[in-house]
Amino acid sequence: GAVVSQHPSRVICKSGTSVKIECRSLDFQATTMFWYRQFPKQSLMLMATSNEGSKATYEQGVEKDKFLINHASLTLSTLTVTSAHPEDSSFYICSASSSARETQYFGPGTRLLVL
Amino acid sequence: GEDVEQSLFLSVREGDSSVINCTYTDSSSTYLYWYKQEPGAGLQLLTYIFSNMDMKQDQRLTVLLNKKDKHLSLRIADTQTGDSAIYFCADLNSGNTPLVFGKGTRLSVIA
Repeated sequence: GAVVSQHPSRVICKSGTSVKIECRSLDFQATTMFWYRQFPKQSLMLMATSNEGSKATYEQGVEKDKFLINHASLTLSTLTVTSAHPEDSSFYICSASSSARETQYFGPGTRLLVL
Repeated sequence: GEDVEQSLFLSVREGDSSVINCTYTDSSSTYLYWYKQEPGAGLQLLTYIFSNMDMKQDQRLTVLLNKKDKHLSLRIADTQTGDSAIYFCADLNSGNTPLVFGKGTRLSVIA
């Protein structure tokens, strides 16, 4: 089946620094990638949708200047959390889909801890 | 918007069957999914069912779909302690729209 990887799997950073999370589709071309955030003991919340080569579409309440998303190629999307604060600590999960598939494949997630 | 509802908790004894239920509102769902999340880990796709099916069986897992009532269930036979996790129901309208997730059902298996 399709494989989506995320890197890093865990990251700890100081408050005020920026963190970049990568999401890669390893064996298929992902025209669309989604970024989700999961708070403890809650379901996933969609943050943004990114289509290759165009600007990401952010969900209401998600600050686009704080959560920078780049989908520069058909196999890679990045999420950069800028000037991270402790309240940004969360589990970030990406998913990817291609136009040829009727499903999405999820990455394993990145756990971010901001001290 | 679309909504997916699940009960939050379920507790069963080891060896019994578990049934996790889910309701959804999207009448145009194409696929419905069950994901498992173990503590500290990402989501693992357990199984999915296409919307024109009413049942799918995969080893210990049985998925039942009542499209008329927009009700989905996941039955785990012979539940084991390793099945303790949070189970998310999700529905998909198309491959290029995000999944809509329920809040997850925490399954606790008592030895």
